[in-house]
Order: sequence, then structure tokens, then C-alpha cells
Amino acid sequence: DADVTQTPRNRITKTGKRIMLECSQTKGHDRMYWYRQDPGLGLRLIYYSFDVKDINKGEISDGYSVSRQAQAKFSLSLESAIPNQTALYFCATSDPNRDTQYFGPGTRLTVL
Amino acid sequence: QKEVEQDPGPLSVPEGAIVSLNCTYSNSAFQYFMWYRQYSRKGPELLMYTYSSGNKEDGRFTAQVDKSSKYISLFIRDSQPSDSATYLCAMSVKETSGSRLTFGEGTQLTVNP
Repeated sequence: DADVTQTPRNRITKTGKRIMLECSQTKGHDRMYWYRQDPGLGLRLIYYSFDVKDINKGEISDGYSVSRQAQAKFSLSLESAIPNQTALYFCATSDPNRDTQYFGPGTRLTVL
Repeated sequence: QKEVEQDPGPLSVPEGAIVSLNCTYSNSAFQYFMWYRQYSRKGPELLMYTYSSGNKEDGRFTAQVDKSSKYISLFIRDSQPSDSATYLCAMSVKETSGSRLTFGEGTQLTVNP
């Protein structure tokens, strides 16, 4: 079984809709991250959490919110989706001993 | 100016070629340097990790870091079609409560049989 899972894998929605992307991990890591990936822009950090009570904004948090329901679960919400939020979204966890991150398979989101 | 700049590619090479992938950075506080490989429709996976200047080898892959020039490279020897992927450099600064990675834009590599 995959260590980091994301649901859904693909989603098409309309402008103005609320969307939630979910991430679960079995690696036992405290640290979790949400990124978006766009062609030519690489991976950009949206939000990150170093433990259940700790939530931090990344470089592009506007229009997004997160919830850390448990050590293993970290959800990303788009309160009112807009077309320029069309992107590939990745969840990741990190190993604090090596600063390396482990990524989920991604969610391809299209906002029409 | 972006903190991390990566040669955008794309690169297309014949099987067996030596591939060189490069990133430069501006933040001298970066301490840890990584290369991730991302296959189509997959999440990035860690390929190489280093924290000191010099070379680190792992099979056909060599990661090179030059902190004085703020430059890192990934070399792939005897490239194979299975190496076709997007390669992302990443770097981090150790913070009190944990580290965040800053990624380059990625270089798409195609190795032709």
C-alpha cells in the first residue's frame, strides 16, 4: 500500500464551488505539506503543518485553507474555486532527520 | 529573482549519453540539497540527498554541490529510457521547528532508445 494517498485523483469542478482534497499517510511523520505544480513554475508551497496544532501559510496560500484532523490526515480546501487554481496538487510528508519529503500521487484539479 | 533557478529543458538525448542537469541558487543559507525524479502522472520521489560541497555517487547518478558558486548538478551516466522523467532540484534551510524545501522549476528529460 502507498505511504501517502490522496483523494480524489482527478476532479473537474465549476467556478465558485467549494472543493476539498484529502491526504492520508501511514509513514508516522508529524510534518505534512500541500503543494501545487504548474508547468514552468515547479512546486510551490501552499500550506504546511509540523504537528496537529501547528498550521503555517506557504508562499501561495491565498484562496486556500487547510485542516489537520489527525497526525495522519491533512486536507486542503478551495472555498470558492477559480479557473487559475487549475493545477496538479501534491501532498507530502517529511522525515525530520533528513529534511526529505515523500509525495503522494497527486490530484489533478480542473476548474471550469 | 527566484531563490532557485533550474535549466528548464526539455532535454532529449540518445540512450547511453551522459546527462547533466543544473540548478543555481541565491540564498547562501541553504544547507541541504536534493534531487527528485518525477515520472509522468506520479508524485516526485527522492533520488539524491547531500549537505556538503563535493560529489556524491549512487550507481549511475552523481550529485555535485559547489556552495562557493551556489551551483548544484546531477549527472546521469549511461542514460536509459527508464530515466525519462522530470528532474527537480530542491534545497532547504534548517529552521528551529523544521525545514521547508524550495524547488526548481524542473527539467524534463527524454532518453531515446
